[in-house]
Amino acid sequence: DGGITQSPKYLFRKEGQNVTLSCEQNLNHDAMYWYRQDPGQGLRLIYYSQIVNDFQKGDIAEGYSVSREKKESFPLTVTSAQKNPTAFYLCASKDRGYGLDQPQHFGDGTRLSIL
Amino acid sequence: AQSVTQPDIHITVSEGASLELRCNYSYGATPYLFWYVQSPGQGLQLLLKYFSGDTLVQGIKGFEAEFKRSQSSFNLRKPSVHWSDAAEYFCAVLKGYGGATNKLIFGTGTLLAVQP
Repeated sequence: DGGITQSPKYLFRKEGQNVTLSCEQNLNHDAMYWYRQDPGQGLRLIYYSQIVNDFQKGDIAEGYSVSREKKESFPLTVTSAQKNPTAFYLCASKDRGYGLDQPQHFGDGTRLSIL
Repeated sequence: AQSVTQPDIHITVSEGASLELRCNYSYGATPYLFWYVQSPGQGLQLLLKYFSGDTLVQGIKGFEAEFKRSQSSFNLRKPSVHWSDAAEYFCAVLKGYGGATNKLIFGTGTLLAVQP
């Protein structure tokens, strides 16, 4: 079955470390997205990519970085510059970035915690 | 700026009772609206969407939503709630038309508890 796979499900990080969250999709979707979810704040967009080798900052990109070298993969790196990284991270994809009539499909998320 | 407001942070209903979750949006043009559901520790699943046409849209799991332009609302309803409906529900509006600026703006969510 097609879908979005996020790994790991739980991730622990020490202060000052960079960590990379994996997101892989086999839906052949062009567009991919990373969201951060905190209690009571809904989802906030970190980065998004409409096509391979291209990506744009979302609303809260500081302290994060991404790459889009392959259509199916959109890894997110949480750097040591992100001062409050503890959150639930969700990856999503959509068939075409410019399509208005397509929903985003979501992975099951990665919960990142600071030790 | 586009925004979505879900006034109710937490709602509790009895199993079998009807449900209405409120969503208000702020958008200058015709909005593209979505409702998603999230079970604990999981991603979001699309319940339904509205783009144009009939203002009453049907979704999965017996949910429906009504778009009311005059009230800037897109409330989610279900006539009879099941215990498995306990989850968090998010309303979202699509920001931007075409190009590379299409982004979903989410509300803060409503957590639904179902009493036996």
